[in-house]
Amino acid sequence: EAQVTQNPRYLITVTGKKLTVTCSQNMNHEYMSWYRQDPGLGLRQIYYSMNVEVTDKGDVPEGYKVSRKEKRNFPLILESPSPNQTSLYFCASSLWQDTDTQYFGPGTRLTVL
Amino acid sequence: QQPVQSPQAVILREGEDAVINCSSSKALYSVHWYRQKHGEAPVFLMILLKGGEQKGHEKISASFNEKKQQSSLYLTASQLSYSGTYFCGTVPGYQKVTFGTGTKLQVIP
Repeated sequence: EAQVTQNPRYLITVTGKKLTVTCSQNMNHEYMSWYRQDPGLGLRQIYYSMNVEVTDKGDVPEGYKVSRKEKRNFPLILESPSPNQTSLYFCASSLWQDTDTQYFGPGTRLTVL
Repeated sequence: QQPVQSPQAVILREGEDAVINCSSSKALYSVHWYRQKHGEAPVFLMILLKGGEQKGHEKISASFNEKKQQSSLYLTASQLSYSGTYFCGTVPGYQKVTFGTGTKLQVIP
């Protein structure tokens, strides 16, 4: 089954404790991205990747890191989480960035205390 | 720059029609529409390309006015299953998708 998986689905952590949210897709997609969703603000892009070893900042990249060492995986790293990073996070992948369907993962609800 | 969606929220009775608008300040290459049900991930509805035809998906269709940099999503004879938040995503010329803030649609019996 074609899908995007994320782990964990729920996470409660404390300020400053490094964490990683994993994202994996099995569709051989070139393009992957991370979004955060906050009430009233819609989906805002954090980082995206056009291909292996190619990543770039989205609209709200501060406080986040990503890596793309393999085509299928695109982890999101919060090296020193803060309460303003409490949000719902989605990973997405697509064949191309501009004309193709984006497939979203199930989401990760993160709470930083 | 996020596209602007209107209305922000709408309540419909089953069988009624609705229009959701999406407007961008930039020239657009494509417009994407997604629906997100409560507690779930966004799901693709359709993509409209510059110079392309109006797309349809069952009773949901959309148009793309390239000159006005606007797109509209039309939901006809709404069903309870149409409830959710609708997002448009705009693409200004071979760039990444930028999503709007969403339109919350509630269909009541």
